[in-house]
Amino acid sequence: AQSVTQLDSQVPVFEEAPVELRCNYSSSVSVYLFWYVQYPNQGLQLLLKYLSGSTLVKSINGFEAEFNKSQTSFHLRKPSVHISDTAEYFCAVSPRSGSARQLTFGSGTQLTVLP
Amino acid sequence: SAVISQKPSRDICQRGTSLTIQCQVDSQVTMMFWYRQQPGQSLTLIATANQGSEATYESGFVIDKFPISRPNLTFSTLTVSNMSPEDSSIYLCSVPPGPGQGAGGYTFGSGTRLTVV
Repeated sequence: AQSVTQLDSQVPVFEEAPVELRCNYSSSVSVYLFWYVQYPNQGLQLLLKYLSGSTLVKSINGFEAEFNKSQTSFHLRKPSVHISDTAEYFCAVSPRSGSARQLTFGSGTQLTVLP
Repeated sequence: SAVISQKPSRDICQRGTSLTIQCQVDSQVTMMFWYRQQPGQSLTLIATANQGSEATYESGFVIDKFPISRPNLTFSTLTVSNMSPEDSSIYLCSVPPGPGQGAGGYTFGSGTRLTVV
C-alpha cells in the first residue's frame, strides 16, 4: 500500500516570490510520482511526473520537482510565482507494477499567490 | 493520452434520489477508476471498474450505494444511490496510461459536481 503526505494545506506567497510545496510518500513497492494541479472550478491536470532517469523533472510553466529516494520526497518548487499559479496542487503516486495501478493522492496544498 | 468525456458536469439533486454519472473514453481501456473529492478534501478512490467483471470497491464504499457498470472498454457509469447531503462532492473518472504510453500520467474526466439538497 502507498500513502502520500503533503505537509502544508495552505501556502500563501507574494507574486514573484519562490515557493516550495512539500510531498513525502511511503510505499512498500517502487512507485511513479506525480504532481497534479486543479485550477478553480476546473478538472485535474498533470503538472509533471517522475518515472525514471534524472531525479529533477520540469514542467513547461516553470515548476520543477526533485525525487529524493533516501528521504522519500518529491517536493515541488518554482523560483518565481505568478497570480495565475493560484490553484490546488496534489502529489500522487502509483505502483510501477502489479494489477492495482490506481493513483494514491495526498491531501492537497492550496497555493494562493498574492499581489 | 486518452480523452474522457464525463457528464453531467454538475447537478443539484433531492435527497433520496439517485444520479448516474457517465464517462466515455476515446480509446479502449481495461481499467477505469472512480474517485470522490469531498469539499476541501483530496481525491479518494471509490472503486476500480474492469470490463467483464465486478467492480472492486475500496474500504468504506459498497456496491449498493455506488453501483458501477462497465458494459464495454470505452464506457462506464457510476450511480450515487439514495443520496444524502453528505454525498455532495465532485466525482471523477480516470484511466491509466495506455499501451505504449509508458507511465505518462493518468487522464481524468472533468468531474461531476454534485449537490444534494
